[in-house]
Amino acid sequence: GDSVTQKEGLVTLTEGLPVMLNCTYQTIYSNAFLFWYVHYLNESPRLLLKSSTDNKRTEHQGFHATLHKSSSSFHLQKSSAQLSDSALYYCALSPSNNNNAPRFGAGTKLSVKP
Amino acid sequence: GGIITQTPKFLIGQEGQKLTLKCQQNFNHDTMYWYRQDSGKGLRLIYYSITENDLQKGDLSEGYDASREKKSSFSLTVTSAQKNEMAVFLCASRGLGGRGEQYFGPGTRLTVL
Repeated sequence: GDSVTQKEGLVTLTEGLPVMLNCTYQTIYSNAFLFWYVHYLNESPRLLLKSSTDNKRTEHQGFHATLHKSSSSFHLQKSSAQLSDSALYYCALSPSNNNNAPRFGAGTKLSVKP
Repeated sequence: GGIITQTPKFLIGQEGQKLTLKCQQNFNHDTMYWYRQDSGKGLRLIYYSITENDLQKGDLSEGYDASREKKSSFSLTVTSAQKNEMAVFLCASRGLGGRGEQYFGPGTRLTVL
């Protein structure tokens, strides 16, 4: 079945350094959608960005990700971490043409220090 | 825009007790989900419902029941609370099938004494 792997459970960075959170996936569906959700403390998880287009960069709120179907990856990046980026980040996969529930990774907690 | 509300916000129960969590959405979305969030384990799917009166089991359905009473509401029941259990339960909804984003509620935090 489908699966999503986020290898890092915790990433700790100093403010100003670049962010890269890894996400790899397995799916039998050629047109799957990949999502990044962000969950700030005391808020609801919300969508950060999504993509189904191979090799196209998607950007939102300073973060970007490119879906690479050849390597089954959808890594989340930001050029310069801010204190306010500290949160839990989930990568998720969803087939585009059926009602199967999205599959989530284990999540990566990003902690940005001054 | 729409909103998802979850009640109660905090739920304290006793071992063996049956506990019910409720979720309401006004997005008019067809599909609704219940997830359990535990540290280091991500969001694990308990049940989801594609339409009113439909129920689909997720990976973590054992020990839970669910009910989709109407399109806007989806309830989850912990059939027998486990001692020292602590978790956050998140409800979500989605339209547009597989390409749509999910919208999440604020969560219900469960503590079992």
